Amino acid sequence: DVKVTQSSRYLVKRTGEKVFLECVQDMDHENMFWYRQDPGLGLRLIYFSYDVKMKEKGDIPEGYSVSREKKERFSLILESASTNQTSMYLCATKESSYEQYFGPGTRLTVT
Amino acid sequence: AQKITQTQPGMFVQEKEAVTLDCTYDTSDQSYGLFWYKQPSSGEMIFLIYQGSYDEQNATEGRYSLNFQKARKSANLVISASQLGDSAMYFCAMREAEGSQGNLIFGKGTKLSVKP
Repeated sequence: DVKVTQSSRYLVKRTGEKVFLECVQDMDHENMFWYRQDPGLGLRLIYFSYDVKMKEKGDIPEGYSVSREKKERFSLILESASTNQTSMYLCATKESSYEQYFGPGTRLTVT
Repeated sequence: AQKITQTQPGMFVQEKEAVTLDCTYDTSDQSYGLFWYKQPSSGEMIFLIYQGSYDEQNATEGRYSLNFQKARKSANLVISASQLGDSAMYFCAMREAEGSQGNLIFGKGTKLSVKP
């Protein structure tokens, strides 16, 4: 079974703080994804990576950056958190099979 | 324009009855894939079912089936014999083109509530 873990289920940060969200997968998948989910908007792709040290912008990359130094780990970074980044963040992975496997999500609140 | 449209923000269904969740999509690609995911209140996205654009038969997985109507660009999810545990958000998603590294485009979701 694919296992995708995210470092925190719930996180509260202050405006202006630097925030790291970590995602780790144990199945040696090439592709990893970060989404944010907001009520009424569904899931929107922030960034994705198809290999170590490779990254591509998704639909809403502004205010975010990512890091993929090792194959199993994909980090989402909020350089200076703002209240409009309060959201649910979901990490996903994919290999040759067609579906994406999701982590449990991190519910981030920025105050 | 929205690529994936789910027109039902919320749905109610009686336990043991069947329910259809609507999904329409927009693409000019000939090759694409359609997915349904379930998200319970715990937050984790659970893959339910997949339909490839070239698949001639409708996909089925247990109580889930996908009513694929290519000409209408619709991919409705049918859940038979609803259970209380089916109460969740349901998302339709599409992957366009083979070279897209598997990026999915999601709809806004439908919240299904199963009544006892």
